Amino acid sequence: KNEVEQSPQNLTAQEGEFITINCSYSVGISALHWLQQHPGGGIVSLFMLSSGKKKHGRLIATINIQEKHSSLHITASHPRDSAVYICAVRSQGAQKLVFGQGTRLTINP
Amino acid sequence: DTGVSQDPRHKITKRGQNVTFRCDPISEHNRLYWYRQTLGQGPEFLTYFQNEAQLEKSRLLSDRFSAERPKGSFSTLEIQRTEQGDSAMYLCASSFTGGDSYEQYFGPGTRLTVT
Repeated sequence: KNEVEQSPQNLTAQEGEFITINCSYSVGISALHWLQQHPGGGIVSLFMLSSGKKKHGRLIATINIQEKHSSLHITASHPRDSAVYICAVRSQGAQKLVFGQGTRLTINP
Repeated sequence: DTGVSQDPRHKITKRGQNVTFRCDPISEHNRLYWYRQTLGQGPEFLTYFQNEAQLEKSRLLSDRFSAERPKGSFSTLEIQRTEQGDSAMYLCASSFTGGDSYEQYFGPGTRLTVT
């Protein structure tokens, strides 16, 4: 079993829909990251969080440390949100990131 | 642009050849990371440096792989005697250890194809 599991692996939705991507992890962490990867490979950091909730524009990330679970929400989704969304964790005392497999999101107009 | 840069962006090589990739981190960042990503998978950690010291290496980093960061600035990743299984995107990231921020900033990646 991977240390970081994401669901779903693929998600297709219509423009305007509310999107939720889930991430579960099995180790104690010091931080969890949500990343966005567009075709061509470039990775952009969306959020880094260790507790609670963060919001940036239409994106919201939440984490429940006790349940070892995080969610990424996108409100009023738009075709430009189409990308791969990756959850990654940094274990306590470590520097490297351990990544989930990614969720491929497609938003149709 | 003062982000992380990687060179080359694409590399096609024949099996058995050696290849070298370069990463230039954000200038004030003292930590530099190498990750590898195969198609349809999330990235996997290879190694990281703090300044010029290589502090951790993954078991994925076989004897054919070597990474250096000679002056604590840019880094190189060399793969000797490439194999088809080495085909992947090689990602570099950097971070700064000051304060409580461990945000890692990623470069565009080098896509390696071994034929």
